[in-house]
Amino acid sequence: DTAVSQTPKYLVTQMGNDKSIKCEQNLGHDTMYWYKQDSKKFLKIMFSYNNKELIINETVPNRFSPKSPDKAHLNLHINSLELGDSAVYFCASSQEFQGLGDTIYFGEGSWLTVV
Amino acid sequence: DAKTTQPTSMDCAEGRAANLPCNHSTISGNEYVYWYRQIHSQGPQYIIHGLKNNETNEMASLIITEDRKSSTLILPHATLRDTAVYYCIVPPSNTGNQFYFGTGTSLTVIP
Repeated sequence: DTAVSQTPKYLVTQMGNDKSIKCEQNLGHDTMYWYKQDSKKFLKIMFSYNNKELIINETVPNRFSPKSPDKAHLNLHINSLELGDSAVYFCASSQEFQGLGDTIYFGEGSWLTVV
Repeated sequence: DAKTTQPTSMDCAEGRAANLPCNHSTISGNEYVYWYRQIHSQGPQYIIHGLKNNETNEMASLIITEDRKSSTLILPHATLRDTAVYYCIVPPSNTGNQFYFGTGTSLTVIP
């Protein structure tokens, strides 16, 4: 069973469109994250959610709006897509938010290409 | 926060031990050292983590120096499937244990 799963795996869309990436974890974790990996392969945290509540927003444009309907799901909605949004987006989860010694588990990524 | 420094790239012969170093000289007493790897086109994969003592699991061993300022990840018998970027991460304890990934070490296992 896949612990952290995200859909779609690949997404090609035009500038200006609105798109969503879904994420689900079956680990029973309280905390979920979105990370972005750009063309230079830097992996940066975007958001952290703990028990459905936003904890951290790392200066991400407000075109990006995460939504957590329950603690097992964290979806990422992106409005008015721009070329610079092209990247790989990784969902992740961990048992606790400030759990020292806790481990983060990542999904397989969603490849977004904006043309 | 604790910064980490890793070599940009390393090669290792298949079947030999791969030793990946990491410096984290500003680590605080309660901050852990984590290792992840990312195989091409896949998500980051957890390998191992430790606080003070050396750790071993089915994937690797983690050796942490006594002063905790550096560590080494050891893959005892590297295979071609171990070719990946390896990240040494020390989540800062004062920022909610957020994982910040650096550039990592690109390990190439050579047949």
